[in-house]
Amino acid sequence: DGGITQSPKYLFRKEGQNVTLSCEQNLNHDAMYWYRQDPGQGLRLIYYSQIVNDFQKGDIAEGYSVSREKKESFPLTVTSAQKNPTAFYLCASSIQAGVLFNEQFFGPGTRLTVL
Amino acid sequence: AQSVAQPEDQVNVAEGNPLTVKCTYSVSGNPYLFWYVQYPNRGLQFLLKYITGDNLVKGSYGFEAEFNKSQTSFHLKKPSALVSDSALYFCAVRALFSGGYNKLIFGAGTRLAVHP
Repeated sequence: DGGITQSPKYLFRKEGQNVTLSCEQNLNHDAMYWYRQDPGQGLRLIYYSQIVNDFQKGDIAEGYSVSREKKESFPLTVTSAQKNPTAFYLCASSIQAGVLFNEQFFGPGTRLTVL
Repeated sequence: AQSVAQPEDQVNVAEGNPLTVKCTYSVSGNPYLFWYVQYPNRGLQFLLKYITGDNLVKGSYGFEAEFNKSQTSFHLKKPSALVSDSALYFCAVRALFSGGYNKLIFGAGTRLAVHP
């Protein structure tokens, strides 16, 4: 999972709560991404950031928010507006978003469960 | 629509036998293709990628993949499977959209089970 850390590993949320998932990278990558993984559906893009202080919505951004105040950090907040947040969340980074052949490196993931 | 298909939910193979995990894609422009592996409750690990050039790409852990432009396929292969190869495998393609936006599109994943 080299160079990308996510915390916590497991997170439990009560209905109506906002929770924040941490993602930190020490790879000096410009671009960072958040994905949601559900069984049998592959990975779906929530938000991405190509550079500090800039981020864009992905395919399923509703109910989520992000910030990118530092190059190495890209926290994801799951708000109470997200109706079905139970999933495995993966953070990733790549050297530059605009270079199409760059692979993404993934963190170990956070499993969020709504109680 | 730009997409990736992994037609098999699960592939079973005996240890020591060759394995193939299938992937087909649909994308505008040149395809940039990737394979990742995921072990239980872990993140994805990059295996290999196709950018251009030789249709046979070699990657980590003895895996390779064959790019076939006419069949729009990028199948993952290994000559001799190990029990430790048992995991979830994802194929992905880089897709371009209007405004210069691009993203990785992932297949649904194929679970590989290697039996002793």
